[in-house]
Amino acid sequence: DAGVIQSPRHEVTEMGQEVTLRCKPISGHDYLFWYRQTMMRGLELLIYFNNNVPIDDSGMPEDRFSAKMPNASFSTLKIQPSEPRDSAVYFCASRDGGRGHTEAFFGQGTRLTVV
Amino acid sequence: AQSVTQLGSHVSVSEGALVLLRCNYSSSVPPYLFWYVQYPNQGLQLLLKYTSAATLVKGINGFEAEFKKSETSFHLTKPSAHMSDAAEYFCAVSEDSSYKLIFGSGTRLLVRP
Repeated sequence: DAGVIQSPRHEVTEMGQEVTLRCKPISGHDYLFWYRQTMMRGLELLIYFNNNVPIDDSGMPEDRFSAKMPNASFSTLKIQPSEPRDSAVYFCASRDGGRGHTEAFFGQGTRLTVV
Repeated sequence: AQSVTQLGSHVSVSEGALVLLRCNYSSSVPPYLFWYVQYPNQGLQLLLKYTSAATLVKGINGFEAEFKKSETSFHLTKPSAHMSDAAEYFCAVSEDSSYKLIFGSGTRLLVRP
């Protein structure tokens, strides 16, 4: 398997624009997590899915953020409208819950810069 | 809710010296604990994990961690630091009921020549 694949790797956008980050989890994994990493706040869990269903979105900072998982092999994180304080590295991770508390596998991340 | 605390945001050691990165957990039930490493501009990679099979867990790159229930700790060690170990290290706990993976604040390891 190619691992967790995120796109794009880098995104630069202007304030007010819509941004969509994409993630393809490892095949067969039933949990998908979106994290945000900043110097100030470290690694924050934004939302996670189990079997394509959002389980906990309490980490989503504002209504400007939304996430979807239309099928087992694809998820998106959307920010609309984007603001400079959204600049961060966004990671997607997946894990196989069917084997218990296994490790999560991370993508390479998307570095978002909002100017 | 379960959580982990990493003491020391930065740790600096000389090449060849012992590496000790601290992690304490809060959990009322046996936890599932992990150590991850992040190299610059990369995602997180698993170093090792504790799943109650053994209290001393060996991982990749010569790292190991010992689970101590009496101290609620899961510290990461390596007998001899290498320059290539310079990275950020994260301790994490998997919540028993929700399967959420909760991370500590991270410790940046610097290795001096």
